[in-house]
Amino acid sequence: NAGVTQTPKFQVLKTGQSMTLQCAQDMNHEYMSWYRQDPGMGLRLIHYSVGAGITDQGEVPNGYNVSRSTTEDFPLRLLSAAPSQTSVYFCASSCLRDRYGYTFGSGTRLTVV
Amino acid sequence: AQTVTQSQPEMSVQEAETVTLSCTYDTSENNYYLFWYKQPPSRQMILVIRQEAYKQQNATENRFSVNFQKAAKSFSLKISDSQLGDTAMYFCAFIRGTSYGKLTFGQGTILTVHP
Repeated sequence: NAGVTQTPKFQVLKTGQSMTLQCAQDMNHEYMSWYRQDPGMGLRLIHYSVGAGITDQGEVPNGYNVSRSTTEDFPLRLLSAAPSQTSVYFCASSCLRDRYGYTFGSGTRLTVV
Repeated sequence: AQTVTQSQPEMSVQEAETVTLSCTYDTSENNYYLFWYKQPPSRQMILVIRQEAYKQQNATENRFSVNFQKAAKSFSLKISDSQLGDTAMYFCAFIRGTSYGKLTFGQGTILTVHP
């Protein structure tokens, strides 16, 4: 099925560990974004990309890295996990023809202990 | 910077009744879009309705409609004939017309529909 696929769905990390959250879309969408969802704060933008090779920071980028080597993939890297990064992470994509029609992945629940 | 405020952390309604969720936003832009997203317990983000700021007519989607007051910067969601499946977290979101992939979300409102 066409859409945005996020893996893993759940993850527990120890403080200081690194990991990559995967996001892939098969709709040839130009725009991709990462958000984190925390109680009482809604979703906040971490990083976004307007095309392969182009990324930029959002509202809360510290502690996260991204790259966009292909149109399909937009991985989010946690360099050294901290308990403050415990959250639910969403990847979203949209296309130039309907740039405001976002498709969201099903999310990754990350716990850092 | 744009801000979106949902002042109702929780709301409840009886099945078949009508409920209105509030959202206000702050922007100096003239070209923007507003959205309501539904997030059921499955965690999936589902677009409920969207409104282009340049359109004066309020958007409607079946039982869902909005009251868009541009001057007051208000964007409320009305759910008519509430159903048990409407129980979810609802997020109001904003994006500038020149931004791509940069949604700004409100804090969310948990809606519970009681039988």
